[in-house]
Amino acid sequence: DAGVTQSPTHLIKTRGQQVTLRCSPKSGHDTVSWYQQALGQGPQFIFQYYEEEERQRGNFPDRFSGHQFPNYSSELNVNALLLGDSALYLCASSFGTLRGNEQFFGPGTRLTVL
Amino acid sequence: ILNVEQSPQSLHVQEGDSTNFTCSFPSSNFYALHWYRWETAKSPEALFVMTLNGDEKKKGRISATLNTKEGYSYLYIKGSQPEDSATYLCAFAGGTSYGKLTFGQGTILTVHP
Repeated sequence: DAGVTQSPTHLIKTRGQQVTLRCSPKSGHDTVSWYQQALGQGPQFIFQYYEEEERQRGNFPDRFSGHQFPNYSSELNVNALLLGDSALYLCASSFGTLRGNEQFFGPGTRLTVL
Repeated sequence: ILNVEQSPQSLHVQEGDSTNFTCSFPSSNFYALHWYRWETAKSPEALFVMTLNGDEKKKGRISATLNTKEGYSYLYIKGSQPEDSATYLCAFAGGTSYGKLTFGQGTILTVHP
């Protein structure tokens, strides 16, 4: 079992560009959540996908969008990048959307916006 | 806005010391409290998911307690080892949040040999 995988590991973009980050959930999991971790802070919830739909969203602008595919993998897209979008982006998977379900995290994608 | 606070922000202990840190969270609309250990360059690793007031969970030398009425959880490490060095994160799941976790900023533990 490969666990949760994310790609790419690192990414450098310039302001105004668009970026796509990818996540493959742990085998048997059907729910994917995305988090942003800025330096010195805990991870902040971006959104959660289940059954190919966005089920819940955190306080992030519409520039942040996502998608879930039939195989449960997911993408996070960020448009019109700002310097403040530089962060570690974490993907977490779980079986179902229940609040008490254990979430398994990937190693993250480090995004640097110049 | 939900506030999840962890203290201390960082902690340095000697090998063999026992240590503990605190996670404070809203006492209303509680559903679950998650603890994670996050070693540098690795994925956060789930330690415990706690849902019942008074719950105590243990995993090897690490244990946790939960008080939902007053809104806090303690994480204890007995006989710290250098391999325990990591950031320890707690995350609150509230009554209407479905799978959303609200994280504290973490406690960075460094265990010196």
